[in-house]
Amino acid sequence: DVKVTQSSRYLVKRTGEKVFLECVQDMDHENMFWYRQDPGLGLRLIYFSYDVKMKEKGDIPEGYSVSREKKERFSLILESASTNQTSMYLCASSLKTRYEQYFGPGTRLTVT
Amino acid sequence: GENVEQHPSTLSVQEGDSAVIKCTYSDSASNYFPWYKQELGKGPQLIIDIRSNVGEKKDQRIAVTLNKTAKHFSLHITETQPEDSAVYFCAASNENSGYSTLTFGKGTMLLVSP
Repeated sequence: DVKVTQSSRYLVKRTGEKVFLECVQDMDHENMFWYRQDPGLGLRLIYFSYDVKMKEKGDIPEGYSVSREKKERFSLILESASTNQTSMYLCASSLKTRYEQYFGPGTRLTVT
Repeated sequence: GENVEQHPSTLSVQEGDSAVIKCTYSDSASNYFPWYKQELGKGPQLIIDIRSNVGEKKDQRIAVTLNKTAKHFSLHITETQPEDSAVYFCAASNENSGYSTLTFGKGTMLLVSP
């Protein structure tokens, strides 16, 4: 069964902290994605990766970076968390030539 | 880039009624249109998709229609049940772009009352 896991369901951090959100998939998918979900704004793509060590900016990359050192793991990094980064963060993965994305359960991040 | 508009933002129906959610897209090169369902506390899950070479696709109680000329597509749920209550997202993509990214609409919260 397809599985995308995210390291935390809920996370509370302070302004200025460095935050790591981890995502792992067990499907041998080439593509991985990070979205943020906010009420009324839907799903917005932050970054995606189509291969190990490769990354591409999505629609809202400012304030974020990513790391993909292994095929199954894709990390989202907030270098210096700010209150406007309080959100639900969703990770997804897909096969290289397929567009169906499989999502993790999400991490609700609160920055105080 | 692509822009996807989705309406309505909320939809309340009685159990057994039909529900329709509509989306429009801006990029005429888009040719893949999936619909995702997000239940409370879970990530979105693909429920149905359609490609530009067909005008309609059905899977039991759900169907999707596509009008490429008008650049809009719709999700139809018949005989709604309380377990259909969720947030639904439409999306669009160009499968020839080389990147398998999706542009999502803002979502529709469907509430089905018993």
